[in-house]
Amino acid sequence: DAKTTQPPSMDCAEGRAANLPCNHSTISGNEYVYWYRQIHSQGPQYIIHGLKNNETNEMASLIITEDRKSSTLILPHATLRDTAVYYCIVRVEGGNYGQNFVFGPGTRLSVLP
Amino acid sequence: ETGVTQTPRHLVMGMTNKKSLKCEQHLGHNAMYWYKQSAKKPLELMFVYSLEERVENNSVPSRFSPECPNSSHLFLHLHTLQPEDSALYLCASSQDSIGSGNTIYFGEGSWLTVV
Repeated sequence: DAKTTQPPSMDCAEGRAANLPCNHSTISGNEYVYWYRQIHSQGPQYIIHGLKNNETNEMASLIITEDRKSSTLILPHATLRDTAVYYCIVRVEGGNYGQNFVFGPGTRLSVLP
Repeated sequence: ETGVTQTPRHLVMGMTNKKSLKCEQHLGHNAMYWYKQSAKKPLELMFVYSLEERVENNSVPSRFSPECPNSSHLFLHLHTLQPEDSALYLCASSQDSIGSGNTIYFGEGSWLTVV
């Protein structure tokens, strides 16, 4: 079972920031938080990951709370092409291969014109 | 372009056919995976190979048979499938090493329809 909880759907206006929340209240100290997205009919695309500190790359920012029980993925200027299902995954470092990338139902983000 | 290439992208097969899905990764990774995604369901892990040895098999029916001849190639051989096996089959790869926050990269998937 997935160790994360996400809202099933969200809307965001084009050009605005999209803030996608994720709860992972049972996260352990050595578990990373990963975000992927899946555009219809395509394979999941890696976005970003982090352990404790906030992270930023060319696609998004990841904000992890101090207690690490929740995180937020921020797409700073959402475009129509960001419409997708976004998955938040908690992965155990050093554990069984692949078994740790357990995908839940994710959040379906709709970017509206 | 993720560096993981799957062929064919679309496949229609009868229940008595034998077919194969192919995956190739150009990332120099040492682990490869097959996932299945049925309509409106989350991804399900099917098989994991690390250094060309199978390390995980999540109780997948024997009509699905994986093969990993080297660290860059992965096959999924299909035989006497059922209509409920129709799904998107995703290949992925990663570099498995301790302490690096390994990332898994997916191919575009192969859409399989069993008739």
